[in-house]
Amino acid sequence: KAGVTQTPRYLIKTRGQQVTLSCSPISGHRSVSWYQQTPGQGLQFLFEYFSETQRNKGNFPGRFSGRQFSNSRSEMNVSTLELGDSALYLCASSLVTEMAYTFGSGTRLTVV
Amino acid sequence: KQEVTQIPAALSVPEGENLVLNCSFTDSAIYNLQWFRQDPGKGLTSLLLIQSSQREQTSGRLNASLDKSSGRSTLYIAASQPGDSATYLCAVRTVEYGNKLVFGAGTILRVKS
Repeated sequence: KAGVTQTPRYLIKTRGQQVTLSCSPISGHRSVSWYQQTPGQGLQFLFEYFSETQRNKGNFPGRFSGRQFSNSRSEMNVSTLELGDSALYLCASSLVTEMAYTFGSGTRLTVV
Repeated sequence: KQEVTQIPAALSVPEGENLVLNCSFTDSAIYNLQWFRQDPGKGLTSLLLIQSSQREQTSGRLNASLDKSSGRSTLYIAASQPGDSATYLCAVRTVEYGNKLVFGAGTILRVKS
């Protein structure tokens, strides 16, 4: 079966711009989470969506937002990009709380 | 606040050795613990998931154990191969934080041929 698909794989943006990343979970998975990975901070939780509702949010500024559609696909948006937003953004999906999370290959965002 | 620590931070071993990676967590109220592998610049590959009620899980040359009361997990890799070289991450799903995974910083493993 198809895994978690993230698009695009790579992005280069300029400071002040905004960006939208996309994630398609495994078919049937209703929980989608986003994580930011940087060399200095490691993997940090951004937010989690379940059935189009945000259930949990990490400690990130309001410039980071997301949403989930009725088909469980999710997008995250970062506005007014800063150099520090350069990171690997990972999406993960899960069937239910007790099940394992499956991660996508990530989107590498570089802000210049 | 849940904190996850992985020891050692890096490990270099010759091919064929058995090795143990350690993971500790501060809050024992967890749903489960998951071990991942990450190759450079790539996403995370799930290796093993241990539910809070379980003591261990095995998959091929990998064996993960969980001692929830002491807040510890170990990942045992038997007969290591150069292809095992990667960063290994453990993550816990904590009751307090719902579906959020809290990750350790990882162990960078290098298996020399």
